[in-house]
Order: sequence, then C-alpha cells, then structure tokens
Amino acid sequence: AQSVTQPDIHITVSEGASLELRCNYSYGATPYLFWYVQSPGQGLQLLLKYFSGDTLVQGIKGFEAEFKRSQSSFNLRKPSVHWSDAAEYFCAFSGGYQKVTFGTGTKLQVIP
Amino acid sequence: GAGVSQSPSNKVTEKGKDVELRCDPISGHTALYWYRQSLGQGLEFLIYFQGNSAPDKSGLPSDRFSAERTGGSVSTLTIQRTQQEDSAVYLCASSLRGELNSPLHFGNGTRLTVT
Repeated sequence: AQSVTQPDIHITVSEGASLELRCNYSYGATPYLFWYVQSPGQGLQLLLKYFSGDTLVQGIKGFEAEFKRSQSSFNLRKPSVHWSDAAEYFCAFSGGYQKVTFGTGTKLQVIP
Repeated sequence: GAGVSQSPSNKVTEKGKDVELRCDPISGHTALYWYRQSLGQGLEFLIYFQGNSAPDKSGLPSDRFSAERTGGSVSTLTIQRTQQEDSAVYLCASSLRGELNSPLHFGNGTRLTVT
C-alpha cells in the first residue's frame, strides 16, 4: 500500500537549535513528496516539494529536505529554529496522479 | 489576490441534521480538493474535482457524504444525517490545473461540531 509516515507526533526544540522532522514513505517507484506547514488557526502552506533531480531541495523560511531513496525518507531540516516556526508540519506524498496523501503531522514546540 | 475561502468557519449542528460546507477556490484554479482533519489523524482525502467532474471520490467515508462543483468554481460538501464522528475540520484546497507541480492552496477550513 502507498503511504507516508511521520513517526514523531510532537517535538520540542530550543530556539536557535537545529531541527529535523522525519518522514518515511512506502511506494514502489519514485514518489512526489511535499512538506506543508500549518500555523495555529491557519491553512496549510507549502514549504517545499521534490519531484526529481537534485535530492536536496530548498524551500521557504530557510527549510530544506533531502530525498533518500535507500531509506525511503524525505526528512525536513532547518539549521536554526525561530520561535515563529512553532506549528504543525505535514509530509505529503503522491504516486504521480492528483491525489495527495498526507501524514499525521508533527507538532513543533519551540522553547526560549 | 484572494485565497481559498471557506464558509462557515465554524458550524455546530445536532446529530441527524444535514450540513453544507462551501468552498470558493482561487479564481482560475481548475482543481479542487476536500480533506478532513481530525485530531491526531492528519489530513484524510475525501474527493478531488477537475473542473466540474470528480475523477476521484474514493475518500468519501459513506453515502451520507456528497460533493458537487458548479461552473468550475464553487464547491459544496454536503453531509446528511450527521453523526458525532463527523466532527472535524473540513479543509478545501485548490490548484492550478491539478498538476503536481502546482501546489495546493488551502483555505482555513470549516470546524464542524456535531452534538
């Protein structure tokens, strides 16, 4: 079955610390992969996407993600977290048609 | 320009009543999606429209759920005989042409509470 998994429900980091949010997918070919962010009371916003080519993709707000086929992963990273990054982050996946499947999300808390 | 607009933002209804949720996509976006977001469940795909037709309605949880789109624009999600398990945030998204290199633009959702 095609699916995307976010193993961490909740993560807490200190402001200024680095961040890595995990995402794993299950699919027989190269998927289309996305990271979205949902700030409190807001709709979801696309951070970045991977379709093909360079496996390290840059997104908005200083985020990046790396596609690793051998590990079926697409982890999101940021070198230095800001308090405004506190939000819920969703990894999403598509097998090449229009249906986009989302993971269960990781809530990020940033402490001073 | 205006983003995706959903109404109402909040809806409280009694069990057994019907509800209609409305989505106004971004002008010119031909693809429209409905998702349901429940606590701890992530986003559950419900249905996808390309223009006025729905090539994928595989996510509708039961025959109490239906959706339509008219004029290639506004969409309505209808839930008949609501149940308490229907309580969730219903999110609408649109994209240009529905191609995967066109990102999904989400509305702020309708929070449905069934009492």
